[in-house]
Amino acid sequence: AQTVTQSQPEMSVQEAETVTLSCTYDTSESDYYLFWYKQPPSRQMILVIRQEAYKQQNATENRFSVNFQKAAKSFSLKISDSQLGDAAMYFCAYRSARRYNNNDMRFGAGTRLTVKP
Amino acid sequence: KAGVTQTPRYLIKTRGQQVTLSCSPISGHRSVSWYQQTPGQGLQFLFEYFSETQRNKGNFPGRFSGRQFSNSRSEMNVSTLELGDSALYLCASSTRDRYNEQFFGPGTRLTVL
Repeated sequence: AQTVTQSQPEMSVQEAETVTLSCTYDTSESDYYLFWYKQPPSRQMILVIRQEAYKQQNATENRFSVNFQKAAKSFSLKISDSQLGDAAMYFCAYRSARRYNNNDMRFGAGTRLTVKP
Repeated sequence: KAGVTQTPRYLIKTRGQQVTLSCSPISGHRSVSWYQQTPGQGLQFLFEYFSETQRNKGNFPGRFSGRQFSNSRSEMNVSTLELGDSALYLCASSTRDRYNEQFFGPGTRLTVL
């Protein structure tokens, strides 16, 4: 079964600095998707960035970028120029590319990011 | 375009009761997934519906059930509530073509006393 591990329960970053959140996953599949979701105190989960496993190029969305290492099964999120609004719980998630049939989204335990002014 | 809406936002029930939660997906989204979020177990997948059919099911007891209507709105039902069912229940919707890009609702906070 696929599992997602986030080894950092909490992280802290100074405003305007850069922080990297770690995520590793375990799978025997070759085709899948990886995601980072943000859950601020308001609780609404927001998709931050997604990566298709077949793409070698790392995904980037403005200040957010990932370091996808398929062989190492690692998928870290880098937040540049951190802002106070980035403070939230961040979840790494995995989903098989198979349509249906046990391809539910698997989430890590989350990393709580604090941004210090 | 309006986002995913969930009703009610908060709910308090007692053990043994049953509860129904509702989710309205983004207009045009026909896939709806449900998740349970607790401090101890984290985010766990409940089930997924597409075109009124359950396409995927997580590892939850039969007390948890769901359905989807022709307008893509979905409901989930929990019967014979237990204390451990206290959680945030999240609904997410997606389109058929971009089914992996899920948009989440604000959740329903269920407290079982």
